[in-house]
Amino acid sequence: DAKTTQPTSMDCAEGRAANLPCNHSTISGNEYVYWYRQIHSQGPQYIIHGLKNNETNEMASLIITEDRKSSTLILPHATLRDTAVYYCIVRPFDAGNNRKLIWGLGTSLAVNP
Amino acid sequence: NAGVMQNPRHLVRRRGQEARLRCSPMKGHSHVYWYRQLPEEGLKFMVYLQKENIIDESGMPKERFSAEFPKEGPSILRIQQVVRGDSAAYFCASSPNTEREKLFFGSGTQLSVL
Repeated sequence: DAKTTQPTSMDCAEGRAANLPCNHSTISGNEYVYWYRQIHSQGPQYIIHGLKNNETNEMASLIITEDRKSSTLILPHATLRDTAVYYCIVRPFDAGNNRKLIWGLGTSLAVNP
Repeated sequence: NAGVMQNPRHLVRRRGQEARLRCSPMKGHSHVYWYRQLPEEGLKFMVYLQKENIIDESGMPKERFSAEFPKEGPSILRIQQVVRGDSAAYFCASSPNTEREKLFFGSGTQLSVL
């Protein structure tokens, strides 16, 4: 599986957009980009995933560059409850791969009042 | 529809005791995964089970650790003769029908070994 690189930590003001970058320069054609987050003392929570097109759901937007070597997770109006560690993971979309997810240390996002 | 339920939330054991961690997947989910998270580290895959079958236990230590997912009841992660190094957060996740689908995680069990 391709590995990802994320900044260790970021800050964001409440109400502003939080843009979390992720580099995945070795991503291959059949690998999706997944984002999860982990609020303190809880289990990870799925946010969004995409292959090459930009995606949006009720939680966030995912922007993937045309060469697919990087992506950005956007929380459009961050709230204090969005303070969490955000994990960017790439994985092939076929069997056996939930076991092979490589969970790095993610980005610790602090949303400040 | 209740989410993935793990209990206990916190478990304290003395060295040499046994720890039993329970996980009830979301209703209708037949795939269960166990992960371990040490302080300041990412999640590490331990074992993947379907009902009554261990599919992949490659991430689980060969000794002292075992897991099951019986036909009825929750999945159990069992750690025998615990040592201080077993202190960690243990998370269970489930997915509906295939391994391609996103994971739903429980809130975890924090195991502390004294």
